Amino acid sequence: EAQVTQNPRYLITVTGKKLTVTCSQNMNHEYMSWYRQDPGLGLRQIYYSMNVEVTDKGDVPEGYKVSRKEKRNFPLILESPSPNQTSLYFCASSPLVGGDGNQPQHFGDGTRLSIL
Amino acid sequence: DAKTTQPNSMESNEEEPVHLPCNHSTISGTDYIHWYRQLPSQGPEYVIHGLTSNVNNRMASLAIAEDRKSSTLILHRATLRDAAVYYCIGTYSGAGSYQLTFGKGTKLSVIP
Repeated sequence: EAQVTQNPRYLITVTGKKLTVTCSQNMNHEYMSWYRQDPGLGLRQIYYSMNVEVTDKGDVPEGYKVSRKEKRNFPLILESPSPNQTSLYFCASSPLVGGDGNQPQHFGDGTRLSIL
Repeated sequence: DAKTTQPNSMESNEEEPVHLPCNHSTISGTDYIHWYRQLPSQGPEYVIHGLTSNVNNRMASLAIAEDRKSSTLILHRATLRDAAVYYCIGTYSGAGSYQLTFGKGTKLSVIP
């Protein structure tokens, strides 16, 4: 089954303790992206990647890191989490056809992070 | 990305057609219109997208105005499972820039 898998689904942790949220897709998609969703603010893009070793900032990249060493994986790293990073996070992927990014994005089921 | 404006909420009776409007008056000639929906406790789900002409797929139809300043997502027969937040998004079509900018969307309630 084609899917985007995020882990963990839920995490409660404390300020300053490094954490990684993993994202894996089995559709051989070039494009992957991370979003956060907050009440009243909708979904906002954090980082995206057009292909292996190619990453770029979205609208709200501060406090986050990403890497794309393999095509299927795109982990989101919080080096020193803070309470304002408490949010619902979504990973997404899509193919890039002829360089055109207008392909449907497939989203994971989300990771709910609580930073105390 | 083109800024989009949608009503905060709409209601529909089950098995009736639903027309969800979206205004995107600042859209450029190369911006596609995408629609996604988000069911409770799930990630967004792609519904449909188009550039200039009307589009149909198994989930819905997309009617784009001739001047491209507005569009309408049409669900032909609403079911309870269609209750969700629907997002209308304008996206740049060129390579090297692919960002979905989600607004607040329209919360659709379906009445049995």
